[in-house]
Amino acid sequence: QEQLVESGGGVVQPGRSLRLSCAASGFTFSNYAFHWVRQAPGKGLEWVAAISYDEQNKGYADSVKGRFTISRDSSKNTVYLQMNSLRPEDTAVYFCGRDRVTFEMYNWIDPWGQGTLVTVSS
Amino acid sequence: DIPMTQSPSSLSASIGDRVTITCQASQDINTYLNWYHQKPGKAPKLLIYGASNLETGVPSRFSGSGSGTHFTFTISSLQPEDIGTYYCQQYASLCSFGQGTKLEIK
Repeated sequence: QEQLVESGGGVVQPGRSLRLSCAASGFTFSNYAFHWVRQAPGKGLEWVAAISYDEQNKGYADSVKGRFTISRDSSKNTVYLQMNSLRPEDTAVYFCGRDRVTFEMYNWIDPWGQGTLVTVSS
Repeated sequence: DIPMTQSPSSLSASIGDRVTITCQASQDINTYLNWYHQKPGKAPKLLIYGASNLETGVPSRFSGSGSGTHFTFTISSLQPEDIGTYYCQQYASLCSFGQGTKLEIK
C-alpha cells in the first residue's frame, strides 16, 4: 500500500541544523510532488514546503524561507527537509505528505506519514 | 501566502446534530479548498477536495460547498467517531491551513 515514513527528528540546540527524511513506497515516486507540514505542540497545522515531481519547482512558507531546503532523491524514493539555523519556534511534529495529483503541484495531500518530532532547545 | 480564517475555533454538539464549519479566504481562491480531519496523535485525513468533492471511502454525511472566499463544511448527522479537529487548506497560491476547529461531543 501507499506509505510514507518520516525519520530524522530529535532534540537540537538553537542555531544548529537537522535533516528530516521521508521514505516513500507503494507508488511511482517520480510522478508526484511532496509536502512538509508541521504542527507545534497543541497548535494547528502549518504548511512548510513543497517540491514538484521533477524537482524543478519548490515552495516555502515565509517562516522558513532561507533556512529550510526541500529536496528529493528518486534513486532512494526519499524526500528530505534540510533545516538550518533552527529556532525554538521550529519545535513541532513534522509530517510528510504526497500531493494527490500526478505531475502537478499544490493540490490535496494524501497520504501522510506518521510524523517525526523536532525539539529545538538548549 | 493566503491567510485562511476558520470559525468557530471550537464547538460542542450532540450525536445526530448537524454541524457546520466555515472557512474564509483573504482573497478569491476559486474552489481550491480542501478539508481534513485530525485525531490527537494522528496524521490528518483528507475528507473533501476541490471544495465539494468527497474523498473515496469518506461517509456521505460529510459535505463541502463554496467558492471564491467563503466555504462551508457540514456533517449532516454527528457520529461519535467524528470528534477531533477539522482544518481547511487552500492551494490557490502555495498552501496554507486554517487555524482549525475542535469538535467535541456534548
